[in-house]
Amino acid sequence: KAGVTQTPRYLIKTRGQQVTLSCSPISGHRSVSWYQQTPGQGLQFLFEYFSETQRNKGNFPGRFSGRQFSNSRSEMNVSTLELGDSALYLCASSLRQGQSDYGYTFGSGTRLTVV
Amino acid sequence: ELKVEQNPLFLSMQEGKNYTIYCNYSTTSDRLYWYRQDPGKSLESLFVLLSNGAVKQEGRLMASLDTKARLSTLHITAAVHDLSATYFCAVGYYGGSQGNLIFGKGTKLSVKP
Repeated sequence: KAGVTQTPRYLIKTRGQQVTLSCSPISGHRSVSWYQQTPGQGLQFLFEYFSETQRNKGNFPGRFSGRQFSNSRSEMNVSTLELGDSALYLCASSLRQGQSDYGYTFGSGTRLTVV
Repeated sequence: ELKVEQNPLFLSMQEGKNYTIYCNYSTTSDRLYWYRQDPGKSLESLFVLLSNGAVKQEGRLMASLDTKARLSTLHITAAVHDLSATYFCAVGYYGGSQGNLIFGKGTKLSVKP
């Protein structure tokens, strides 16, 4: 079966711009979580969406937002980009909200570079 | 806030040797996940441990979970170069601002001939 698809794979943006990243979960999975990975902070939780509703949010500023569509695809948006937003953004797909007995499947990630 | 500590953070091994990576966490949880990450790549799921005493093995890797000690281990047997990667443990936790998976900082494993 198809895995978790993230697009684009790579992005280079300028400070102050905004960016939208996309994540299509595994077919039948209804929960999508987003993580930011940086060398300094490691893997940090951004938010989780289930049934088109944000169920949980991490400690990130309001410049980070997201949404989920009826087909479970999710997008995250970062506005007014800062240099510190340069990171690998990963989305994780799971069957349902909350704890997963089957684990979480991660996409290949989007590498965002802010210059 | 739940904390997850992995050690060691860096591990250089010779091929054929055995070693163990430790994952300690600070709050009660009965769900523990291990992931592997190759440079520039995403996270690959290795093991899902769902109860106290759970043990799973795949090839040269074996993971275990002791929920009472809040400890999981990833044991590497007779290491080979292909196992070189960064290994993350993640504790399952629900509802907090840290999300459903709280990751350790990772153990960067380098297996040398």
